[in-house]
Amino acid sequence: KQEVTQIPAALSVPEGENLVLNCSFTDSAIYNLQWFRQDPGKGLTSLLLIQSSQREQTSGRLNASLDKSSGRSTLYIAASQPGDSATYLCAVYNAGNMLTFGGGTRLMVKP
Amino acid sequence: NAGVTQTPKFRILKIGQSMTLQCTQDMNHNYMYWYRQDPGMGLKLIYYSVGAGITDKGEVPNGYNVSRSTTEDFPLRLELAAPSQTSVYFCASQKEPGLQETQYFGPGTRLLVL
Repeated sequence: KQEVTQIPAALSVPEGENLVLNCSFTDSAIYNLQWFRQDPGKGLTSLLLIQSSQREQTSGRLNASLDKSSGRSTLYIAASQPGDSATYLCAVYNAGNMLTFGGGTRLMVKP
Repeated sequence: NAGVTQTPKFRILKIGQSMTLQCTQDMNHNYMYWYRQDPGMGLKLIYYSVGAGITDKGEVPNGYNVSRSTTEDFPLRLELAAPSQTSVYFCASQKEPGLQETQYFGPGTRLLVL
């Protein structure tokens, strides 16, 4: 059974800092890996989707990497802003298109 | 374009009551999903559907039922509410499984069972 773990569970940084969120998964037989953002009381917003054959994806200040063999992904946020404060969820697509989610990293960026 | 909509936004139920959580999507997606999210945890799949008339169990289906009579709607039914069903429920839809296909999520329904 696929298990997804995200470290740290919570993170507080000053504005402007670069930061890395970590995601690990136990079964490397995945199709895609996706990072989502979740704001309080809201649904999930897709940030980046990495296909299993890709190593990384970039969108603006966000860069996500994927190392299937080691079962790891990282989300790099450059020059963090208070508006980046949210919970970040990592999820992997397994066989049958089933999504398995990690527990999330709660990020707070202080002005 | 509304995307995925869910009603109600919040509900309080007494133990043993029943209710239906509504989910509608206007993107003509074949695949639809119901997840629950407990505090501090990730989402867990309850049920999913690959098209009208076809549903299947996910990881945590006990205590729930679903139906899919149309492409647009995928309601989730709780027959006998229990405190363990206190959670936030998310509905999602997807065009079809594929390398670049993401799931689109609704805003969620917060359910409290007392």
